[in-house]
Amino acid sequence: KQEVTQIPAALSVPEGENLVLNCSFTDSAIYNLQWFRQDPGKGLTSLLLIQSSQREQTSGRLNASLDKSSGRSTLYIAASQPGDSATYLCAVDGANSKLTFGKGITLSVRP
Amino acid sequence: DTAVSQTPKYLVTQMGNDKSIKCEQNLGHDTMYWYKQDSKKFLKIMFSYNNKELIINETVPNRFSPKSPDKAHLNLHINSLELGDSAVYFCASSRQQGVAEAFFGQGTRLTVV
Repeated sequence: KQEVTQIPAALSVPEGENLVLNCSFTDSAIYNLQWFRQDPGKGLTSLLLIQSSQREQTSGRLNASLDKSSGRSTLYIAASQPGDSATYLCAVDGANSKLTFGKGITLSVRP
Repeated sequence: DTAVSQTPKYLVTQMGNDKSIKCEQNLGHDTMYWYKQDSKKFLKIMFSYNNKELIINETVPNRFSPKSPDKAHLNLHINSLELGDSAVYFCASSRQQGVAEAFFGQGTRLTVV
C-alpha cells in the first residue's frame, strides 16, 4: 500500500528565503508525481507534474525533483514571497492509477 | 472558463437526508475522480471513472453512489447522510489514467447537522 509522507507539517520562513519541501513515498512503482498548492478554503492548483522517467521539472521559481529509486521528491521554491503562503501537497500516481496524497506542508512566508 | 466545476460549493443538510453533488469538466478528459478531504485536511480517493466506467471504488460505504452520464460529468449521490460524512469533496479529471496531470474542482463543503 502506497504511503506518502511530508515532513514537517508546517514551516515558517522570512520573505526572500529559498526553501525545500520534502516528500517521500513507500512504493517506487509510480507513473508520476504531482505537486499541488491549496489555499485556505480553496481547491487544489497543480504546480508541477513529474513523469516517472523524468528527474525534474521547473516552472518559474519552482523546481521539483524526483528520485524514484529512493522514493523521494523535493519542491524547491526560490526567493519565497508572502503570496507563496499555502499548503503544498505531494501526490503520487501509482499502479492503481489513483493519486495518493501526503498530508501537506503548510507554508507561511513572513514579510 | 472553469475547467472542472462542482455544484454546490456549500451544502448544509440534516442527518438522514439524501443529497447530490454535481461535477462537470470541459477539458475533454477521459478520467474523472471523487476525492474526500477530511477535517484533518487529508485527501483520499473515493472513486475513479474512465470513459464512464467505474475503475476504482476505494472502500466507500455503499451510501455513496457515483454516476457518470457521459465523459464530461461525474455526479456523487449520497444517501442517508451521517455526521461523519461532513467533509470537503473534490472532483478531479485527467486526460488519461496514470500519465497525465490531474485538475481539481474548487470543492464542495458538505456539513451534516
